[in-house]
Amino acid sequence: NAGVTQTPKFQVLKTGQSMTLQCAQDMNHEYMSWYRQDPGMGLRLIHYSVGAGITDQGEVPNGYNVSRSTTEDFPLRLLSAAPSQTSVYFCASSKTFQRGGLPEQFFGPGTRLTVL
Amino acid sequence: AQSVSQHNHHVILSEAASLELGCNYSYGGTVNLFWYVQYPGQHLQLLLKYFSGDPLVKGIKGFEAEFIKSKFSFNLRKPSVQWSDTAEYFCAVNAKTTDSWGKLQFGAGTQVVVTP
Repeated sequence: NAGVTQTPKFQVLKTGQSMTLQCAQDMNHEYMSWYRQDPGMGLRLIHYSVGAGITDQGEVPNGYNVSRSTTEDFPLRLLSAAPSQTSVYFCASSKTFQRGGLPEQFFGPGTRLTVL
Repeated sequence: AQSVSQHNHHVILSEAASLELGCNYSYGGTVNLFWYVQYPGQHLQLLLKYFSGDPLVKGIKGFEAEFIKSKFSFNLRKPSVQWSDTAEYFCAVNAKTTDSWGKLQFGAGTQVVVTP
């Protein structure tokens, strides 16, 4: 299994440009999520999905869109990049919420994004 | 607002020293607790987790954590660190509200540097 994969690893954008960060998993996980990691702030949830066709907002959704057309893929779209979106982005996946809560998350290697 | 607090943002210690990282959360109900580790240049991976049962949980690489419900704490410990333990450590909490589980919330992280 490849686990959770993310592309690209690095990206530099100019303010106002748009782009899509790709995330894919081959573990048949229902739950997928996107986080951004900023120094001193830990990981903050951007959007998440509990299955194909179902997405919801996290803690910091503004400026980002997601869709989930398949179980495997969960792309994150930046509509009009801003310098405040400079960050490291992690995708994660797991089995979905169970009676006992959310299980262990499996993380991708991250995408380091710089917006000039 | 619900929160996860990690007391130390940066810890420097020598090899063979003992390590204890603090984690407190503000949720009053049922919680699942996690410690994740991010080694330099790598993605996050699970160190250990607590769902229920024995409040002292053991994880990989000699780490352990103790859940103290009365103190809303889940501190991470290792009796003798190695240079290879240099990493950033994140505490995470998944809390159950009245009738459903919420999102996974991360602390700000603690950067641990182990010197030879």
